[in-house]
Amino acid sequence: GENVEQHPSTLSVQEGDSAVIKCTYSDSASNYFPWYKQELGKGPQLIIDIRSNVGEKKDQRIAVTLNKTAKHFSLHITETQPEDSAVYFCAASIGAGNMLTFGGGTRLMVKP
Amino acid sequence: EADIYQTPRYLVIGTGKKITLECSQTMGHDKMYWYQQDPGMELHLIHYSYGVNSTEKGDLSSESTVSRIRTEHFPLTLESARPSHTSQYLCASSEFGQGAGRSGYTFGSGTRLTVV
Repeated sequence: GENVEQHPSTLSVQEGDSAVIKCTYSDSASNYFPWYKQELGKGPQLIIDIRSNVGEKKDQRIAVTLNKTAKHFSLHITETQPEDSAVYFCAASIGAGNMLTFGGGTRLMVKP
Repeated sequence: EADIYQTPRYLVIGTGKKITLECSQTMGHDKMYWYQQDPGMELHLIHYSYGVNSTEKGDLSSESTVSRIRTEHFPLTLESARPSHTSQYLCASSEFGQGAGRSGYTFGSGTRLTVV
């Protein structure tokens, strides 16, 4: 089955700096890669996703890149703000809406 | 507004009690999931359902059981709660589709269970 590895497990950055979280996946059939943000006391919320026919996707300060050959994808957050502090999960599936395999999570702390 | 609801948000209960964690969604999604989240963040799949009368165990062994009698409702039951069941429980739903807006999971806010 699919295995998703996520690094780093914790990340501390200064406000205004960029943050990068990386994930690798094992199943070359996976074609849908969402990212979730989980704030304290809440469930994970979808923040951005990418499909395998696209190499990069941006939404304001966040972007995701996908390298199908190397089987890895990354989340980039620019100009970080204290409200970006949260746990972030990457995931992969074969087809959007099918069962996701999640990475282990990254705790991002943005220091003011 | 389409959403997914979990109740209660917090529950403190004594050892040996029977409990049911409720999860309901208004989106008509066919697939629903229960995850157990440990303090170390990781999400562990304990049950899932692909539709009415369909339930399967997930990757993490759990003493809980689930039912799916209605599309919108996916309750999780512990017949006899133990301190080892103390955890955060997250419910999610999804719908297969490739079009815009039909992607990924929608999660509930979770139930924080403490068994004393």
